[in-house]
Amino acid sequence: AQTVTQSQPEMSVQEAETVTLSCTYDTSESNYYLFWYKQPPSRQMILVIRQEAYKQQNATENRFSVNFQKAAKSFSLKISDSQLGDTAMYFCAFALSFQGAQKLVFGQGTRLTINP
Amino acid sequence: DTGVSQDPRHKITKRGQNVTFRCDPISEHNRLYWYRQTLGQGPEFLTYFQNEAQLEKSRLLSDRFSAERPKGSFSTLEIQHTEQGDSAMYLCASSLGTGADTEAFFGQGTRLTVV
Repeated sequence: AQTVTQSQPEMSVQEAETVTLSCTYDTSESNYYLFWYKQPPSRQMILVIRQEAYKQQNATENRFSVNFQKAAKSFSLKISDSQLGDTAMYFCAFALSFQGAQKLVFGQGTRLTINP
Repeated sequence: DTGVSQDPRHKITKRGQNVTFRCDPISEHNRLYWYRQTLGQGPEFLTYFQNEAQLEKSRLLSDRFSAERPKGSFSTLEIQHTEQGDSAMYLCASSLGTGADTEAFFGQGTRLTVV
């Protein structure tokens, strides 16, 4: 079975700072996808960034980037120039490629607060 | 298109009662997923549909739970004889396509409280 672990229940930084959220996962499969989702207070979860396991290059989306270390089974999210609107729960998630569906396995989440 | 819509947003019910939730996915999305999220945890997969066919159910989905997607559009999730342990946020998501990399769009969820 696949598991996803987020070891930081809460984090807090000042606006404009850079913050890194940690995620580790466990799987015996070699083809999979990793995701970071953001869940703002009382709003729906939205996809922040996605990484395909067979791609060595780390994914980036504007201020968001990942550090994917396949051998270490680590998938951290870096948020640069943090903004107040980045305040949310962040979930790391995993999906197996062969399942052909978004059957996501989520971590426990990290509550990120950006302070003015 | 306004995204994935779930109704109701909140439901309080007494233990032993039946409840039904509705999810309207994004139009044309062929995949529809149900997840359950308890307080302080990440969502857990419950079941998913491709069009009207229910393709997989998690072991978390006991016999008291049933989901349908009769015409391949909206879906309902029914919980019979609710228990306090059923209290959670029930999330619906939809996606277009069949790959595990396709983006799933989530609704705002239905928060169930069983008293």
